[in-house]
Amino acid sequence: AQSVTQLGSHVSVSEGALVLLRCNYSSSVPPYLFWYVQYPNQGLQLLLKYTSAATLVKGINGFEAEFKKSETSFHLTKPSAHMSDAAEYFCAVYTGGFKTIFGAGTRLFVKA
Amino acid sequence: DVKVTQSSRYLVKRTGEKVFLECVQDMDHENMFWYRQDPGLGLRLIYFSYDVKMKEKGDIPEGYSVSREKKERFSLILESASTNQTSMYLCASRSGTFGNTIYFGEGSWLTVV
Repeated sequence: AQSVTQLGSHVSVSEGALVLLRCNYSSSVPPYLFWYVQYPNQGLQLLLKYTSAATLVKGINGFEAEFKKSETSFHLTKPSAHMSDAAEYFCAVYTGGFKTIFGAGTRLFVKA
Repeated sequence: DVKVTQSSRYLVKRTGEKVFLECVQDMDHENMFWYRQDPGLGLRLIYFSYDVKMKEKGDIPEGYSVSREKKERFSLILESASTNQTSMYLCASRSGTFGNTIYFGEGSWLTVV
């Protein structure tokens, strides 16, 4: 069965520091992988998605993620954190049927 | 841009009340979803609809029902609200191919007292 694990429910970084949010998935078939962001009191919006083209995927707001099949990972990174990046981030996987499986989420805190 | 609109952002209801959460999307998407979001649990699928009057149960359908009479509108119904249904409810839509992006509404915060 497909599943998604996000390592760390909370991550805190200083403004200007590297952001790394970890996501591992389980799937028996090539997956579609997504990162969504949720700002306070809002719904989720797509940051980026992997659909079996390039393994390095660039998204909005300077975020990118790399698909590593051997590690079953799809970690999200941003070279330099900004205060406006403070939000909750969800990794998700789709491998068939009608369901997309979401991880439990990682809340990113950015310190001035 | 795709717009998914949830009519109520904040609701407070009493135990045993019937609750309707309404959702409308403006992009002619075939697929619509209701999720429940709780801290530490991520998003859990309550119900899914792939066409008018068609629905499928998700992971946690107990205590909920849905209605889709028109393509653009998908309603979540709590027949008899209970305190353990206090949560954030997210409506979403997606066009045909399942690997496509899911678009979310802003959410409805429901408190049952």
